[in-house]
Order: sequence, then C-alpha cells, then structure tokens
Amino acid sequence: EAQVTQNPRYLITVTGKKLTVTCSQNMNHEYMSWYRQDPGLGLRQIYYSMNVEVTDKGDVPEGYKVSRKEKRNFPLILESPSPNQTSLYFCASSAGRGAYEQYFGPGTRLTVT
Amino acid sequence: GQQVMQIPQYQHVQEGEDFTTYCNSSTTLSNIQWYKQRPGGHPVFLIQLVKSGEVKKQKRLTFQFGEAKKNSSLHITATQTTDVGTYFCAGPDWDDYKLSFGAGTTVTVRA
Repeated sequence: EAQVTQNPRYLITVTGKKLTVTCSQNMNHEYMSWYRQDPGLGLRQIYYSMNVEVTDKGDVPEGYKVSRKEKRNFPLILESPSPNQTSLYFCASSAGRGAYEQYFGPGTRLTVT
Repeated sequence: GQQVMQIPQYQHVQEGEDFTTYCNSSTTLSNIQWYKQRPGGHPVFLIQLVKSGEVKKQKRLTFQFGEAKKNSSLHITATQTTDVGTYFCAGPDWDDYKLSFGAGTTVTVRA
C-alpha cells in the first residue's frame, strides 16, 4: 500500500530537549516536505526537499532542521523546541515538486511545555 | 512571497443546501489544488486545475479555476454529512517547488 508514515504520532516534550520526527514514504517520490498546521492559519510549509541531499526553506523554517540522506526518508529535527512550536505536523511527498498531488502522512501532534 | 487566501473560514450548512468556498492568490498560478481534511485526519488530494477557466466536477463537487489563474472556487450541491471537514486550496510558487495553502474552510452540516 502506497503511504507516508510518521513517527511518533503524539509527542509531549519540554522546552530545549532535542527531538526528531521521522517521515518515510514508499512511493519512490523525489519531492518531500514538512508542514505545520495551526488553527486559523492552515498548512504552512516548513522545509521541502527536491531530492536526496537537496533541501530548501519553506515559509516558516525558523527553529527547524531537515536532512535527506535517503530518498524515502525526510526527518524533521527540532534542536531546541519552544512552546511556539506546539502544533500538528504533517509530512508529505509528491512525484514531482509542489505543483503536483501531495500525499500526506497521518500527522504528529507535538506539545512543547 | 505568494499568499493564498480562502473564504469563508467557517461554513455552517443545513443538510441538502449548497455552498461555495473561494480561494484567491496574490500571484498567477500554474495550477491550483484542492484538498479535504476530515476531522482528526490528514489532508487528502481532491483535484488539480491547470487551465484558465477550467471547470471540473466530482459528483456533487464543482471546481473552477479563474480566467486569470489567480482565483478558484469549490461549490458543493446538496450537502451531506459526509461533506464535513476542512477544505484547503493550494497553489505552487513561481518555480513550482514551494506550495502555499489557504487557511481552509471548515464545513459543519446540520442534519
């Protein structure tokens, strides 16, 4: 089954404690991205990756890091989480760039206290 | 940067009624995409419009892309409880890499 998986699905952490949210897709997609969803603001793109070792900033990259060492994986790293990063995070993949149909993962609900 | 705006933010509909949600971009788009997110779920792709003035239908859903390729609409006829959720429009940036989403229209249905 074609899918995007994320782990963990729920995470409660404290300010400053580094964390990683994993994302994996099994569709051999070149394009992957991370979004955060906040009430009234819709989905905002954090980072995207056009292929292995190629990443670029989205609209809200501050406080986040990403890496793309393998085509299927695109982890999101919060080096020093803060309460304003409490949000619902979605990973997505696409066969080709942002202009194409995006396949979303199930989401990760992050709470930073 | 590019901005995609969506109205209304909320739509409360009586079952059986029609409604429309609107999407406007600050820049001309190469295409526009629509997604639906059920409560507690993740966004799911509905459709993509590419041509100026394009109209596409999916059962009770009608999607339009404006002549100037800067606006779009989603019209739902005879709303059902299965239509509950948040509908997002999204448009790619000038280089087709970044994707900007509207804030979404959250639809509730009164039986």
